[in-house]
Amino acid sequence: AQSVTQLGSHVSVSEGALVLLRCNYSSSVPPYLFWYVQYPNQGLQLLLKYTTGATLVKGINGFEAEFKKSETSFHLTKPSAHMSDAAEYFCAVSSSNTGNQFYFGTGTSLTVIP
Amino acid sequence: GAVVSQHPSWVICKSGTSVKIECRSLDFQATTMFWYRQFPKQSLMLMATSNEGSKATYEQGVEKDKFLINHASLTLSTLTVTSAHPEDSSFYICSARAGINYGYTFGSGTRLTVV
Repeated sequence: AQSVTQLGSHVSVSEGALVLLRCNYSSSVPPYLFWYVQYPNQGLQLLLKYTTGATLVKGINGFEAEFKKSETSFHLTKPSAHMSDAAEYFCAVSSSNTGNQFYFGTGTSLTVIP
Repeated sequence: GAVVSQHPSWVICKSGTSVKIECRSLDFQATTMFWYRQFPKQSLMLMATSNEGSKATYEQGVEKDKFLINHASLTLSTLTVTSAHPEDSSFYICSARAGINYGYTFGSGTRLTVV
């Protein structure tokens, strides 16, 4: 069984400040981990993903995430927030064995304060 | 590459009518497509998984006779909401994958409002 927990449904940061969005997962098999961003009334856009190999994954728009197996975490970070980063962010896990569906977290709404 | 086109982006329909949503893979063949529903301020919930040429697999609690899924070709899957009611109003998103070793690509979503 797989599941994802995103701590904090709402996160507010000042423009230029560090962005940290938390994601913990549960998986009985080696996981594929993903972060997606969703702008209002739009679909999901892949920010980054971890499959195997390097545990620090760099994505688009300056975001990165680190897979920590010991902590079962895959937190998303960005050194300096921009106004355009305001959106909904979803963490997701998929099985590396079957890979037949995603399990999404409940999402974190990021607000960037000017 | 790996573009999924979803249409319409928004639709308003009267209660009792049916609405069809299309999901097309533009530059790859999608052996598997997924349909999700997202209620306001909530996460995406998988509705069904469809494999080309076979019947869709519906998640528990999803009415297969109400949400008809057709995946007749490797580039097109359709979701038809039959006899729509206001409670069916939601954001529907499809995703597609070329094969088990390939990543997922999401469509841009369809906002359905039933009045």
